[in-house]
Amino acid sequence: SQTIHQWPATLVQPVGSPLSLECTVEGTSNPNLYWYRQAAGRGLQLLFYSVGIGQISSEVPQNLSASRPQDRQFILSSKKLLLSDSGFYLCAWSPGIPGNTIYFGEGSWLTVV
Amino acid sequence: DQQVKQNSPSLSVQEGRISILNCDYTNSMFDYFLWYKKYPAEGPTFLISISSIKDKNEDGRFTVFLNKSAKHLSLHIVPSQPGDSAVYFCAATSPSGTYKYIFGTGTRLKVLA
Repeated sequence: SQTIHQWPATLVQPVGSPLSLECTVEGTSNPNLYWYRQAAGRGLQLLFYSVGIGQISSEVPQNLSASRPQDRQFILSSKKLLLSDSGFYLCAWSPGIPGNTIYFGEGSWLTVV
Repeated sequence: DQQVKQNSPSLSVQEGRISILNCDYTNSMFDYFLWYKKYPAEGPTFLISISSIKDKNEDGRFTVFLNKSAKHLSLHIVPSQPGDSAVYFCAATSPSGTYKYIFGTGTRLKVLA
């Protein structure tokens, strides 16, 4: 069966520091991969999605970036964090076939101080 | 531009009664709709989905209704149980080929014992 893992689960970072969140999917090949953010009192905001290695689509202009160095690995990064980057970050995957479910990881709590 | 909207941020229901969660969308090209349940500090879990070619889908205590002309879907939970207390998100996929999943802002359901 397919599984998705993301880490770290929790982190507290100072303003201006870099960020790296990592996500891996197991048990499937060529998945579509996604990064979402849930800010306090907000819905799930799509940040990035990828339909293949090296293919990244950005939904929201900001100081975050994403990379997909391997088929089942998705990384969310920032060179300099802002206070507004605080939130709950979720990695997700889907089979890449229309009409299919999207599955989420456990989430990563980021607090920028 | 919020393409998927959940206008009720919260809902309280007595145990054993019906819970009805609503969702509206603006893009008539959305072709697949999903409902997710989310507990604090966890990733959302998939509940039920419906294709745009149907108007109803049922799975146990959960039923999703789709009204395409009104661009409205709803999730019915019967009977409601205390364990159903969570935040519920509706989601829609963008037109086939782009693979984006757009989520609403969520409705917090509280089932009272």
